[in-house]
Amino acid sequence: DIQMTQSPSSLSASVGDRVTITCRAGQGIGNDLAWYQQKPGKAPERLIYAASRLQSGVPSRFSGSGSGTEFSLTISSLQPEDFATYYCLQHSTYPPTFGQGTKVEVK
Amino acid sequence: QVQLVQSGAEVKKPGSSVNVSCKASGGALSYYEVGWVRQAPGDGLEWMGGIVPAFGAPVYAQKFQGRVTITVDKSTNSAYLHLSSLTSEDTAMYFCASAMGSGSFRGWGQGTLVTVSS
Repeated sequence: DIQMTQSPSSLSASVGDRVTITCRAGQGIGNDLAWYQQKPGKAPERLIYAASRLQSGVPSRFSGSGSGTEFSLTISSLQPEDFATYYCLQHSTYPPTFGQGTKVEVK
Repeated sequence: QVQLVQSGAEVKKPGSSVNVSCKASGGALSYYEVGWVRQAPGDGLEWMGGIVPAFGAPVYAQKFQGRVTITVDKSTNSAYLHLSSLTSEDTAMYFCASAMGSGSFRGWGQGTLVTVSS
């Protein structure tokens, strides 16, 4: 299985801050990576697919980058509704594997 | 993209089995990859298994081999998760999710809470 190492596991930030979350794959996965946002009691929602493509309807303050083994999700200016947990997912090789998650909390 | 609606919460005894359904609308589920993902309380997301049309058969995570069965019924346009020999460690929210082609999961069900308790 491909291990996805996500960091940090949590972070504290303020509205307006720039936030970056990273995911490292245990082996190369091309650009077969997606980012999800999950709020308590809700299903995950896809923000980014193919490593850098913004899901329709998702605000442009979210962006993704990377390929191969190193990936990042950036929120350019954190908004109140962005406090949530974020996960990366690789789907290059079965089984699909998620990162451990990053909880973005209010500072 | 299909919309997915799951069956309601379940409370089960240890040693029993649970069935969770995932009904699709807005498209034929048989054309999509369908996966089941679970999330224990306070934990992250864990892929359990799925059906990929190109594979022609379900694929299961090794952790659940022998205990899990995933099916898709074209007549009801629904996917089903069957998990047997339940223990308290199976207490979790279970999500179905769909993907087109070889893409990542885009559509998600709302989740079904399964509680295993004596």
